[in-house]
Amino acid sequence: QQQVKQSPQSLIVQKGGISIINCAYENTAFDYFPWYQQFPGKGPALLIAIRPDVSEKKEGRFTISFNKSAKQFSLHIMDSQPGDSATYFCAARGEAAGNKLTFGGGTRVLVKP
Amino acid sequence: DAGITQSPRHKVTETGTPVTLRCHQTENHRYMYWYRQDPGHGLRLIHYSYGVKDTDKGEVSDGYSVSRSKTEDFLLTLESATSSQTSVYFCAISLAGTSTDTQYFGPGTRLTVL
Repeated sequence: QQQVKQSPQSLIVQKGGISIINCAYENTAFDYFPWYQQFPGKGPALLIAIRPDVSEKKEGRFTISFNKSAKQFSLHIMDSQPGDSATYFCAARGEAAGNKLTFGGGTRVLVKP
Repeated sequence: DAGITQSPRHKVTETGTPVTLRCHQTENHRYMYWYRQDPGHGLRLIHYSYGVKDTDKGEVSDGYSVSRSKTEDFLLTLESATSSQTSVYFCAISLAGTSTDTQYFGPGTRLTVL
């Protein structure tokens, strides 16, 4: 049972374009939503995170949009660069869920120069 | 990788053999986690620990056991490896285990069970 569904599985974007990754969750006990970035051969690293009491969070070229009523959140990568080519995972965590992270299936992003 | 090492980094073994993976941290973080990563499934929690000798099951714990005798070491054991346990295994740590606490991941161990 996958409680966090992520789409698309992969996407290709031109340099300078916008990458958009979407996630949907089911468990309303989740109250913290991080995104992780993973390069080949490395472990995932925290990129940006949001709590559901805000609808948007921006850090540099990365923005999370959050829709609590729809139980959806998304990552936008503005002005995508070849160095952004990586796999991105959304996740959800909540104290009622034992503070355990539940991950989406991942999105492989390729930014073409 | 936030002071986390995993050993071995690569291992090939045969079905039915026992395998132990080690996670070592130098951060003195209380919480440690073992995940497996498979295509299309993201990362799935196997077991986690909230202190020395305190462990609990995750989402996919069947076939795995863990032990934590020291703060810095968290061992994952496959008692009798099966081909379905071929995967990349990641260890993670966090300081307080709260919902907003960041989890830091190690470099991973690629395990192949023939």
